[in-house]
Amino acid sequence: QQQVKQSPQSLIVQKGGIPIINCAYENTAFDYFPWYQQFPGKGPALLIAIRPDVSEKKEGRFTISFNKSAKQFSLHIMDSQPGDSATYFCAASTGGGNKLTFGTGTQLKVEL
Amino acid sequence: GAGVSQSPSNKVTEKGKDVELRCDPISGHTALYWYRQRLGQGLEFLIYFQGNSAPDKSGLPSDRFSAERTGESVSTLTIQRTQQEDSAVYLCASSLMRGETQYFGPGTRLLVL
Repeated sequence: QQQVKQSPQSLIVQKGGIPIINCAYENTAFDYFPWYQQFPGKGPALLIAIRPDVSEKKEGRFTISFNKSAKQFSLHIMDSQPGDSATYFCAASTGGGNKLTFGTGTQLKVEL
Repeated sequence: GAGVSQSPSNKVTEKGKDVELRCDPISGHTALYWYRQRLGQGLEFLIYFQGNSAPDKSGLPSDRFSAERTGESVSTLTIQRTQQEDSAVYLCASSLMRGETQYFGPGTRLLVL
């Protein structure tokens, strides 16, 4: 059973565009929702994370929107750059960051 | 200081052989996690260590998989009698304590022929 569903699988945007990646979860006990960025040959790195007591969190050009009633959350990347080209994973966990359940990933390409 | 390191970076083995993968967590991190990443897929949780507590083994796919950690230092993941479906990248992460940000190593790419 896939507990975190992520879409789209891949995404191509032009430089300066705003890619949006969506995730939906099933387990209402999840209380921590991080996004990870992974470059080829590297391990994932934490980008930004949110807890369900807020509906939005911004860090630099990255924003998480969270909809608790719909059990959905999304990542927006403002003013995207070619250096943002990577695979992005959403994740969720209970107990504030214990073992993470990951989505299947979105391969983002930002073109000049 | 140094991040999470893993060795070997790549491992090719024959079906049926045992393999041992190593993870060196960030110094001082009490929590350590192992995940598996199959090609084109998300990461699957395997096992979690927190200090001297009993590990959470709920993600281990079969009894061919086992892991050890001595105190708050190095961990080894052992896969016995490897199968082709074990081919994946095995990632280790550590965090200062349970619930804190997990920092990932570069992974070990395992190929079972």
